[in-house]
Amino acid sequence: EVQVLESGGGLVQPGGSLRISCVASGFTFNTYAMAWVRQAPGKGLEWVSSISGSTFSGSGDSTYYADSVKGRFTISRDNSKNTLYVQMNSLTAEDTALYYCARGGQYCPTITCPFDSWGQGTLVTVSS
Amino acid sequence: QSALTQPPSASGSPGQSVTISCTGTSSDVGGYKYVSWYQQHPGKAPKLMIYEVIKRPSGVPDRFSGSKSGNTASLTVSGLQAEDEANYYCSSYAGSNNLVFGGGTKLTVL
Repeated sequence: EVQVLESGGGLVQPGGSLRISCVASGFTFNTYAMAWVRQAPGKGLEWVSSISGSTFSGSGDSTYYADSVKGRFTISRDNSKNTLYVQMNSLTAEDTALYYCARGGQYCPTITCPFDSWGQGTLVTVSS
Repeated sequence: QSALTQPPSASGSPGQSVTISCTGTSSDVGGYKYVSWYQQHPGKAPKLMIYEVIKRPSGVPDRFSGSKSGNTASLTVSGLQAEDEANYYCSSYAGSNNLVFGGGTKLTVL
């Protein structure tokens, strides 16, 4: 069974940093594109960042970011641990959201892959 | 990148059909085949219902169908059932390595 499980959320002060993680199981993690999607309280979904998988991109990770987080967030993956990360710096109140980890595809350009499995999310709250 | 435009709400009676629209531009919905639809029940994670405009993942009932005309994509739910009541979000590749979601539509089964 495909599963992704996020962790690491919490309360952080404005201007602070946080790294959240997503452990995957039930599929060949390194071959799939992965992504972070967030949802502010009571709001809609917002794509945050994606990272390529080895099937489509070969060696080397390609990373992509929404304009709202570019330069502040860094997505990465550790295929030996089946884990996806996002390092979030210079956080503001507008970054407060439930952050979902989502599986993309194997055979599609990273950003075009639909998200076919989602975790339950980890809540990041930015407040003083 | 601006969000795609969805109606805030839609409704229908059990057994009826309802269509939810998702309007973008020629730079996103109109320019690519990469439109997806997600269903989200309150307090739950989103679920993929349609991808590449018209394709249905395994396990999604064929009551759900997708289409596109110009800059507007649509999700049609036929034979409405109580469990279809949820929020629905569209997404589209928007070029230049960007992905954009719609604001969401709350579907109510009357």
